[in-house]
Amino acid sequence: DVQLVESGGGLVQPGGSLRLSCAASGLIVNNDWMYWVRQAPGKGLVWVSRINRDGSSTTYADSVKGRFTISRDCANNTLCLQMNSLRADDTAVYYCVSNLAGLPEYWGQGTLVTVSS
Amino acid sequence: SYELTQPPSVSVSPGQTARITCSGDALPKKYVYWYQQKSGQAPVLVIYEDKKRPSGIPERFSGSSSGTVATLTISGAQVEDEADYYCFSTDSSACVFGGGTKVTVL
Repeated sequence: DVQLVESGGGLVQPGGSLRLSCAASGLIVNNDWMYWVRQAPGKGLVWVSRINRDGSSTTYADSVKGRFTISRDCANNTLCLQMNSLRADDTAVYYCVSNLAGLPEYWGQGTLVTVSS
Repeated sequence: SYELTQPPSVSVSPGQTARITCSGDALPKKYVYWYQQKSGQAPVLVIYEDKKRPSGIPERFSGSSSGTVATLTISGAQVEDEADYYCFSTDSSACVFGGGTKVTVL
């Protein structure tokens, strides 16, 4: 069975940093396009970032460009999202997704990031 | 970047047909995907590449696209179809979700 397990969320002050991790089992992170998608409380889905199979290409939503960095193999078979200069509107559940809009695709259960003083 | 626009809500009686639209200027050149998200759960892909249905998705879910508007149709809606639905599209530079449509079946 494929599992994606996010971790690293929590409470952080505005301007602070967090690193999210997504540990994969049952699939190889380097074999798929990997994505981060977030959802603020009571709000809709928002795409955050993606990375291609060999890590040579990364793209970001305008709202996080220059502040967030996606990477793979930050640990064994793990996708990461380094989040700097966090703002209140970054508060959301962050989902790790393998092969978004592809078949098959897999979602993690999400990790909550709260940016507040 | 581009935008996808959905109606905030759609209501339908059980057994009737619900139609959810997704509009965007770039849609004539892009595939649209549809996600269903039930409360407290991760999203599930119900339509891909405008009109294809993944295995395990009931036949009552169908998709179409014409010009700048894509449509998700639930024919014979069931109570268990009550959920939020999101359209999604992507190209080489970005990905975008629509704002979501809450479907109420009552």
